[in-house]
Amino acid sequence: DQQVKQNSPSLSVQEGRISILNCDYTNSMFDYFLWYKKYPAEGPTFLISISSIKDKNEDGRFTVFLNKSAKHLSLHIVSSQPGDSAVYFCAASYSHKYIFGTGTRLKVLA
Amino acid sequence: SQTIHQWPATLVQPVGSPLSLECTVEGTSNPNLYWYRQAAGRGLQLLFYSVGIGQISSEVPQNLSASRPQDRQFILSSKKLLLSDSGFYLCAWSPGTGGTDTQYFGPGTRLTVL
Repeated sequence: DQQVKQNSPSLSVQEGRISILNCDYTNSMFDYFLWYKKYPAEGPTFLISISSIKDKNEDGRFTVFLNKSAKHLSLHIVSSQPGDSAVYFCAASYSHKYIFGTGTRLKVLA
Repeated sequence: SQTIHQWPATLVQPVGSPLSLECTVEGTSNPNLYWYRQAAGRGLQLLFYSVGIGQISSEVPQNLSASRPQDRQFILSSKKLLLSDSGFYLCAWSPGTGGTDTQYFGPGTRLTVL
């Protein structure tokens, strides 16, 4: 049972444009949501998070939106750069457990 | 500041051999600790998590086990490795305060079972 889904395995975006990565979840118990960036053979790096009591959180070029009624969250990266190319994982958490999606590979084209 | 260590970074083991991967966290007390596996081309699968010494929760039945002998030490073990155990193993920690905590990952161990 895949509780957290990232339905797009890959995404290509032109440099300077906005990247939008999507994530859906099924368990209404989740109360905290996170986005991570991962390079091959490295541990994921935390990017940004959002509590279930909010619908938006912004940090620099990164904004996470949460739509609780749709059980959907998205990560927006403005002014995408080639250095943003990586695999992005969303995660959902409740009661000490963190469940990850399968990841979306973002490629920013120069 | 907090840091998380994993070793070894890379490991090649024959089928049927034992396994021991170690993870330690510095700079914090009473962390929640986690083991994940990322199989080739797959997402992060939660294997075990621990909220305290000697407290282990298993998420996926398999031939792996975990132990937490000390507050900031988490060990992943197997008595006999299978080919399907190959993958990238990640240890992570989060503050043990509950609620909305961020989880932080170690550098990972690449395990190849031949």
